[in-house]
Amino acid sequence: NAGVTQTPKFRVLKTGQSMTLLCAQDMNHEYMYWYRQDPGMGLRLIHYSVGEGTTAKGEVPDGYNVSRLKKQNFLLGLESAAPSQTSVYFCASLTPTSGRGSTDTQYFGPGTRLTVL
Amino acid sequence: SQQGEEDPQALSIQEGENATMNCSYKTSINNLQWYRQNSGRGLVHLILIRSNEREKHSGRLRVTLDTSKKSSSLLITASRAADTASYFCATSIGYSTLTFGKGTMLLVSP
Repeated sequence: NAGVTQTPKFRVLKTGQSMTLLCAQDMNHEYMYWYRQDPGMGLRLIHYSVGEGTTAKGEVPDGYNVSRLKKQNFLLGLESAAPSQTSVYFCASLTPTSGRGSTDTQYFGPGTRLTVL
Repeated sequence: SQQGEEDPQALSIQEGENATMNCSYKTSINNLQWYRQNSGRGLVHLILIRSNEREKHSGRLRVTLDTSKKSSSLLITASRAADTASYFCATSIGYSTLTFGKGTMLLVSP
């Protein structure tokens, strides 16, 4: 199993450009998450999904959109990139074993380093 | 805003010593988890402690939870150079999400 993979690994954008980050997991997990990590900060939740076709806002959703058309994929879109979106983006997934996903381990991808000039 | 706050922000020790990191949080939680992040990599789950538990062990890791003080500690015994990483606590309040602290950077020197 590849686990959680993220594409691309690195990207440089100019202000105003758009792009989509792809997260894929082969563990048949129900829940998927997108986080951003800035220097000296922990991870902050952008959006998450508790199942195919569903999405929800996290702590810092502004400027991002997501889609979960297939169970194994979770896409994060930036419609008009801004320098403030320069960050490392992590995807994570899990399957809730107890009916509450919060009690389970999240599995993380390797991250995408995005720079917006 | 961050729910969990780790202390210290950075910790430097010698191999063989114990490393203790603390996490304080603000609101009642369902459980608290500790994750490790090697430089430039994703996070890896270490251990979970539920709100009705006070102490948990996993190998060289010992986690305590004091819900009255809203705090947790992670102890790594007999540290190795390979333990060098950032350590994050994450708290669960709601149904399916975690809130991460800013992390403690641990440096273990040979």
